[in-house]
Amino acid sequence: SQQGEEDPQALSIQEGENATMNCSYKTSINNLQWYRQNSGRGLVHLILIRSNEREKHSGRLRVTLDTSKKSSSLLITASRAADTASYFCATDRKTPLVFGKGTRLSVIA
Amino acid sequence: DTEVTQTPKHLVMGMTNKKSLKCEQHMGHRAMYWYKQKAKKPPELMFVYSYEKLSINESVPSRFSPECPNSSLLNLHLHALQPEDSALYLCASSFRDSPYNEQFFGPGTRLTVL
Repeated sequence: SQQGEEDPQALSIQEGENATMNCSYKTSINNLQWYRQNSGRGLVHLILIRSNEREKHSGRLRVTLDTSKKSSSLLITASRAADTASYFCATDRKTPLVFGKGTRLSVIA
Repeated sequence: DTEVTQTPKHLVMGMTNKKSLKCEQHMGHRAMYWYKQKAKKPPELMFVYSYEKLSINESVPSRFSPECPNSSLLNLHLHALQPEDSALYLCASSFRDSPYNEQFFGPGTRLTVL
């Protein structure tokens, strides 16, 4: 299976702190995407990083990709209570996307 | 319009019932997806439609029957479900069925099978 594995499974931080989540996968990929899911709702696409990219930024998000280690990290800076959600990495070699198990982030005000 | 809508939001059905879930998007996307998500688990792909044709069926039991009447609509027909089929059913769409396209998700239908 090429399913991603996020680490940690759960993370609790104070508002204003940075949150880092990691994703490891098993097979080569075309790209890696990160999604956010608020409790019991649909997923929202955050960022896509291609296999030939090493780092990408979007607002308070920073994603890195290390294809030699088959891993990616998502950094959320200056976290807010509204960032409380589950975060999934999603990988593919061909479609469809395969989602990792997710990291549950709690940001305490 | 950049959203995917799903109806109903909640559905409770008995094991002998027949019901349908509906998904709609008006973004001109030509790929649409059904996912099943159990509590505290990632979404699992069920079906992919590309240009209104079923392109992927992830070995889903025949009690789930997808239908894509046109490029904007996706249905999931349910019949003789089991209690273990209770889950959040998510619909998604993307510009094309391509690894480089982000997927846009609907809010989901929370299904309970009694």
